[in-house]
Amino acid sequence: AQSVTQPDIHITVSEGASLELRCNYSYGATPYLFWYVQSPGQGLQLLLKYFSGDTLVQGIKGFEAEFKRSQSSFNLRKPSVHWSDAAEYFCAEPAGGTSYGKLTFGQGTILTVHP
Amino acid sequence: DTGVSQDPRHKITKRGQNVTFRCDPISEHNRLYWYRQTLGQGPEFLTYFQNEAQLEKSRLLSDRFSAERPKGSFSTLEIQRTEQGDSAMYLCASSFPGGQGLPSSYNEQFFGPGTRLTVL
Repeated sequence: AQSVTQPDIHITVSEGASLELRCNYSYGATPYLFWYVQSPGQGLQLLLKYFSGDTLVQGIKGFEAEFKRSQSSFNLRKPSVHWSDAAEYFCAEPAGGTSYGKLTFGQGTILTVHP
Repeated sequence: DTGVSQDPRHKITKRGQNVTFRCDPISEHNRLYWYRQTLGQGPEFLTYFQNEAQLEKSRLLSDRFSAERPKGSFSTLEIQRTEQGDSAMYLCASSFPGGQGLPSSYNEQFFGPGTRLTVL
């Protein structure tokens, strides 16, 4: 069955430190991949998406993600974390076999930022 | 505000009661999705509408759940005879159909703030 795995449930970093959140996908010769962020009490906001082409994708808020087919990974990175980045992050891909894009999400990674 | 809105934001109910949630998508979006998110998990797909047609329902959507989108605009999700296991965040999202030669799967889904349901 198709799945998206986020191995890290909770990550803590210091403000100003670099960040990498891991995501592994299991479906698709040409996967479409998304990273969403969810702040407490808020809906999900799209950070970035990958369809094809350049494997390094730039997103909003200074985030980027790198698609690595050989590792089935789409890790999210940020060179310098801000306190406002504390939130929960979800990797997602469209469920296989559909044309309308229902999403399968990973279980999420909670990011805590220490001052 | 042109984002996706959901009402109510919070709902506390007693087991066995019926509840109804509303979602207003972005006006030009014809696709609407419902997801459920439980604590510590990512959202799980419940159902999908294209215009007024409900095209898919997840097996998570038991017979106690019903969703409608009567005029292809707002949508409602009703849960009858609520159970404690129904406690969750219910998220609504909307999107454009495919365009610019890209498949629909590529299109961003815009999410509402969710309705948090607590069943006592």
